Amino acid sequence: NAGVMQNPRHLVRRRGQEARLRCSPMKGHSHVYWYRQLPEEGLKFMVYLQKENIIDESGMPKERFSAEFPKEGPSILRIQQVVRGDSAAYFCASSLDSPLTDTQYFGPGTRLTVL
Amino acid sequence: QKEVEQNSGPLSVPEGAIASLNCTYSDRGSQSFFWYRQYSGKSPELIMFIYSNGDKEDGRFTAQLNKASQYVSLLIRDSQPSDSATYLCAVNGKKSNTGKLIFGQGTTLQVKP
Repeated sequence: NAGVMQNPRHLVRRRGQEARLRCSPMKGHSHVYWYRQLPEEGLKFMVYLQKENIIDESGMPKERFSAEFPKEGPSILRIQQVVRGDSAAYFCASSLDSPLTDTQYFGPGTRLTVL
Repeated sequence: QKEVEQNSGPLSVPEGAIASLNCTYSDRGSQSFFWYRQYSGKSPELIMFIYSNGDKEDGRFTAQLNKASQYVSLLIRDSQPSDSATYLCAVNGKKSNTGKLIFGQGTTLQVKP
């Protein structure tokens, strides 16, 4: 029973390039969450998605960041024109059924380094 | 005031002792409370969740919730060096009703052999 999968595990980009981070939730999970952890800081919520819908994007920066969870395939977090401040660990989590009463399980994360 | 507050530590305890980790939260309407463990360079790993006032025990771990005081804690009995990690308290942000978790900064626990 595979857990939450994320790829790539490590991603290096130069300033101005695009970064695409992928997340496949646990089998049967339909809720996906993205969190960001800056160096020496806590986890911060970015966005919550269900299939084909963005439910809550209150934690997403207004510019350059977007997320999707298509009907088929993994959830994608896309960062356009990356800057050094985007360097962080990006974690995806998934949950089953109602997000108010169920737990979120985290993937291994993608560590983004912007040169 | 931060939404979820934890003492960053480090909290240092000898092997075999009880480690007590504390967390306070500001949203009185919060419903769900979680403790995650995070080793350096790794992802958060769920330890326990608690929804109701009182204690919940699972092996060497006990979570305690006091909604009136807006306080949740984690006790680790018979601490082992392998318990050395950062412990993250997370609260379900009920205001948004979306399952968004709000995390504290984490408490670093060091268990000395």
